[in-house]
Amino acid sequence: DAGVIQSPRHEVTEMGQEVTLRCKPISGHDYLFWYRQTMMRGLELLIYFNNNVPIDDSGMPEDRFSAKMPNASFSTLKIQPSEPRDSAVYFCASCTSNQPQHFGDGTRLSIL
Amino acid sequence: DAKTTQPTSMDCAEGRAANLPCNHSTISGNEYVYWYRQIHSQGPQYIIHGLKNNETNEMASLIITEDRKSSTLILPHATLRDTAVYYCIVRVDPGSARQLTFGSGTQLTVLP
Repeated sequence: DAGVIQSPRHEVTEMGQEVTLRCKPISGHDYLFWYRQTMMRGLELLIYFNNNVPIDDSGMPEDRFSAKMPNASFSTLKIQPSEPRDSAVYFCASCTSNQPQHFGDGTRLSIL
Repeated sequence: DAKTTQPTSMDCAEGRAANLPCNHSTISGNEYVYWYRQIHSQGPQYIIHGLKNNETNEMASLIITEDRKSSTLILPHATLRDTAVYYCIVRVDPGSARQLTFGSGTQLTVLP
């Protein structure tokens, strides 16, 4: 079975540029989560969706971050404009209500 | 969610059983024990979870003490590929419709 698929795996861009991260959840999963991992702060939840609807976005750092889930098989996390402090590994995870979360392999983002 | 305490690091010889302990003395009756691991440069991987009975799957066994204040994850025949950070997480839901909170975990190093 295909797991959670994230793209790109690596992204290097200059400060001020727009960055779009993509996630394809496991088919049939109705929950989707976006996390960010850094050495200093560990793994932090940014936002999660249920049936394509954002449920809790209290972890989104600021207005520069936005996330969408236009359908059950695709979600995006966008940063505009990007800043060096946004450099991190961004993970997407999905699950159903009675199953554990399954994570993708992440996008390693470097903002120069 | 109850707080967990894990050793910072452990070593294990290849082919031997790896026993990873976790203390969760403030666990409530309706809280489950989850184990995840994170191999370098990969996303967190679900291993196993349980409420009060011991559990076994193709990856590992989970032993929960009768008072539920501690548990042990057992990898029966550790391989080099099991080198990872292992996280013990205690949470109310059997489902996953809330964020996972990862602590510092145990760095397991399997030695040849």
